[in-house]
Amino acid sequence: AQTVTQSQPEMSVQEAETVTLSCTYDTSENNYYLFWYKQPPSRQMILVIRQEAYKQQNATENRFSVNFQKAAKSFSLKISDSQLGDTAMYFCAFMKGLNYGGATNKLIFGTGTLLAVQP
Amino acid sequence: EPEVTQTPSHQVTQMGQEVILRCVPISNHLYFYWYRQILGQKVEFLVSFYNNEISEKSEIFDDQFSVERPDGSNFTLKIRSTKLEDSAMYFCATQGREGRNEQYFGPGTRLTVT
Repeated sequence: AQTVTQSQPEMSVQEAETVTLSCTYDTSENNYYLFWYKQPPSRQMILVIRQEAYKQQNATENRFSVNFQKAAKSFSLKISDSQLGDTAMYFCAFMKGLNYGGATNKLIFGTGTLLAVQP
Repeated sequence: EPEVTQTPSHQVTQMGQEVILRCVPISNHLYFYWYRQILGQKVEFLVSFYNNEISEKSEIFDDQFSVERPDGSNFTLKIRSTKLEDSAMYFCATQGREGRNEQYFGPGTRLTVT
């Protein structure tokens, strides 16, 4: 069974600085996807970034980037130029590779890291 | 930008009552999911649905739960006889065509069982 571990329950960063959130996972699969979701106080789940395991290049979305280390099963999220609106719970999530033919694949979430951006 | 919607945003019900949570997926999406999040805990998978049938379900999804897509638009989660421990945030998520793995979440329904 797959597991996702986020070892930092809470983190704090000053506005405009950079912060890195950690995530490790365990799987025997070779084809899978990793995601970071943001959950602000409204509790909406917002997709931040995704990474395909077969891609060596780290994904980047504006101020958000990941450091994907497949051998170490590590998938950290870096937020540059932190903004007050980045204050939220961040969840790392794992999905097995989608099987074509209609099979669905669930997301497996970590326990989350609560990030507070300080003014 | 298309989005997933859920109704109601908050539902309060008494133990033993039936509740139906509704989700309107993004229009061309084919795969549908329900997750739940007990306050302060992680998000847990309940059930997935494709082509009008359940594709996968978790241990949480027992006989008290059911899902359906009655009119080809709404995707519903029914809890037949609610328990106190069903109090949680319930999220619907939808996914587009094969090969696109992003799941887009609705804003959630907060269910409170008293």
